[in-house]
Amino acid sequence: QQQVKQSPQSLIVQKGGISIINCAYENTAFDYFPWYQQFPGKGPALLIAIRPDVSEKKEGRFTISFNKSAKQFSLHIMDSQPGDSATYFCAASLWGDQKLVFGQGTRLTINP
Amino acid sequence: NAGVMQNPRHLVRRRGQEARLRCSPMKGHSHVYWYRQLPEEGLKFMVYLQKENIIDESGMPKERFSAEFPKEGPSILRIQQVVRGDSAAYFCASSVSNEQYFGPGTRLTVT
Repeated sequence: QQQVKQSPQSLIVQKGGISIINCAYENTAFDYFPWYQQFPGKGPALLIAIRPDVSEKKEGRFTISFNKSAKQFSLHIMDSQPGDSATYFCAASLWGDQKLVFGQGTRLTINP
Repeated sequence: NAGVMQNPRHLVRRRGQEARLRCSPMKGHSHVYWYRQLPEEGLKFMVYLQKENIIDESGMPKERFSAEFPKEGPSILRIQQVVRGDSAAYFCASSVSNEQYFGPGTRLTVT
């Protein structure tokens, strides 16, 4: 019940295209959903996060879509650039619980 | 504003030795978390600490692993009698609200 399942494992997108990564969770009590970006040899960096009181949040080229009834959320990267090539992790937690449950990660490659 | 600092960045230990990993949170942050990342996997929660208190250690292995966050100084993750299966990247994060900010990690290799 604590799992977060992420797909796809890897994704190749052409420069300028839209990258879409999906996550599904089981625990209906989760109410905080961040996305992290990780470059090789670095720590994860917080990219964008959403709480279930909204269905969408946009920051620059990055958008989170949230579907509470389906227990799914996704990251959309518009106008994908080679510099976006990294591993992306979704996560979930109970607000105030502090313990993040991570998905397995998606390795994104943007071809120039 | 300096980010979360971890040292050493790389640590090599022989089986049976002890590993000590250090984490200094961001300025003003009083919550520290440790996560472990095995190759090609996501991060797994280990422990959550505040100054002088362990709040949640539900992800810590029952034996050989311990963590502390003293009143003064960095948080320490200690692994006694390391085994090859302990080889992983260990990340520390700090927060002041729900947003957690990660350090660069310590990559532990057990030979």
